[in-house]
Amino acid sequence: DTGVSQDPRHKITKRGQNVTFRCDPISEHNRLYWYRQTLGQGPEFLTYFQNEAQLEKSRLLSDRFSAERPKGSFSTLEIQRTEQGDSAMYLCASSLEGIGSGANQPQHFGDGTRLSIL
Amino acid sequence: GNSVTQMEGPVTLSEEAFLTINCTYTATGYPSLFWYVQYPGEGLQLLLKATKADDKGSNKGFEATYRKETTSFHLEKGSVQVSDSAVYFCALRKPGSNYKLTFGKGTLLTVNP
Repeated sequence: DTGVSQDPRHKITKRGQNVTFRCDPISEHNRLYWYRQTLGQGPEFLTYFQNEAQLEKSRLLSDRFSAERPKGSFSTLEIQRTEQGDSAMYLCASSLEGIGSGANQPQHFGDGTRLSIL
Repeated sequence: GNSVTQMEGPVTLSEEAFLTINCTYTATGYPSLFWYVQYPGEGLQLLLKATKADDKGSNKGFEATYRKETTSFHLEKGSVQVSDSAVYFCALRKPGSNYKLTFGKGTLLTVNP
């Protein structure tokens, strides 16, 4: 168990640029989640995947945001035409859910990608 | 909708003091309840959890009891250490769902030697 890995740890970019973050979940985990955390707040749910299928998207995920999880392994979160309000920590989490794994399995979080928009 | 309310921080204690961080929730049915801890520059780590009423979660000297009658899940520790300094988040997962977590705003704890 190497934990959830996120890359990069920090990203500084100019307003209007596109950015892409990557998340590598714990290898056997079939669920993957993205959250956004702004300063002084708790994480807010953005979206989640069951294997390669994106099953829910929050209203926070505007049209400028897109997330993918090809082949049900790593995931990417892209933000197009970044705005000042996109500055936040983007957290990825994963869990193993399904028959045999038991109910209410906890989500394991990565260290996050901190995005700063200049 | 579902929501979590935590006591306002920051909380500053001396080493070996008793800690309580209050957490109350609003949800229909019986959500699962969690405490996560976030150390500076790191992601969230699960501290403890409870999945039904009267369950007590415990880990590393921390405890929290799921109180349905008061819709609360207060975090306690009998003797805090400097290494416990971190931000603590209370969270719920709504009944019938096994994905989305709803978090409180977090409580910053600072423990002085």
